[in-house]
Amino acid sequence: QQQVKQSPQSLIVQKGGISIINCAYENTAFDYFPWYQQFPGKGPALLIAIRPDVSEKKEGRFTISFNKSAKQFSLHIMDSQPGDSATYFCAASPGSGNTGKLIFGQGTTLQVKP
Amino acid sequence: DSGVTQTPKHLITATGQRVTLRCSPRSGDLSVYWYQQSLDQGLQFLIQYYNGEERAKGNILERFSAQQFPDLHSELNLSSLELGDSALYFCASSPRETLYGYTFGSGTRLTVV
Repeated sequence: QQQVKQSPQSLIVQKGGISIINCAYENTAFDYFPWYQQFPGKGPALLIAIRPDVSEKKEGRFTISFNKSAKQFSLHIMDSQPGDSATYFCAASPGSGNTGKLIFGQGTTLQVKP
Repeated sequence: DSGVTQTPKHLITATGQRVTLRCSPRSGDLSVYWYQQSLDQGLQFLIQYYNGEERAKGNILERFSAQQFPDLHSELNLSSLELGDSALYFCASSPRETLYGYTFGSGTRLTVV
C-alpha cells in the first residue's frame, strides 16, 4: 500500500516530441505528489509537484495531470529537448503527521534524440 | 549547488567494515533525511531527523544508524557492511519537519568490495 508504481522504465523521444511518464499509487492518504529530475552524478531535483485537490498543474513545458479517482498521475514534457535527457522519479508523501518522508517510484530514464 | 553538502563523494571499503557518511544541511534547515539509491530498489527512505530528534523511520537496517548533532549536521553510520550495501546514499534537508523546501545533496557513492 506504500508503493508508487512508475512506467515506463525507459523512454526514447525525438526532439520536439511529447514525453509522458505515468505513476500509480494505492494509499489514499498520500497528499503530495512531486516529480524529480536526476542527472548522472547529481541528486534528485524537484521539477514540479501537485496536491490532490488539483487535477492539473503546468510549469513551462512540464505538466502534471492528476486523476484522484484512478489514483494515477502523470508527467508530460512538451517540446522535449536533448537537455531533458535524465532520469525522472515520481514520488508521494504519506501525509501522516509531521514528516517529510517520500515514497519514490522506480524511475524512468528519458533519452531525447536530436 | 543545492546547499546540501555530503562527504565523502566516493567511498570504497571491504565487507565487514564500518563507515560514516556526513551531511551538512542548507543553512537554516532543521530537517535532514537519508535515502539509499540502488539499481534494484530505487530511492528508499531511511530516516528523518528534525532539530536533533528522530522524526520518521523507513526500512533502515539494524546495522545502520544515524544522528543529528546540535549544529544540525547529520551522520549515517553503516556497520558490518555487505556487498549489497553498495549504493548511492543521499541526504536531503528542509526548513521544517515537512516537505516545504526539500533539497537533495549530490550523494555519497559507497562501494563495498
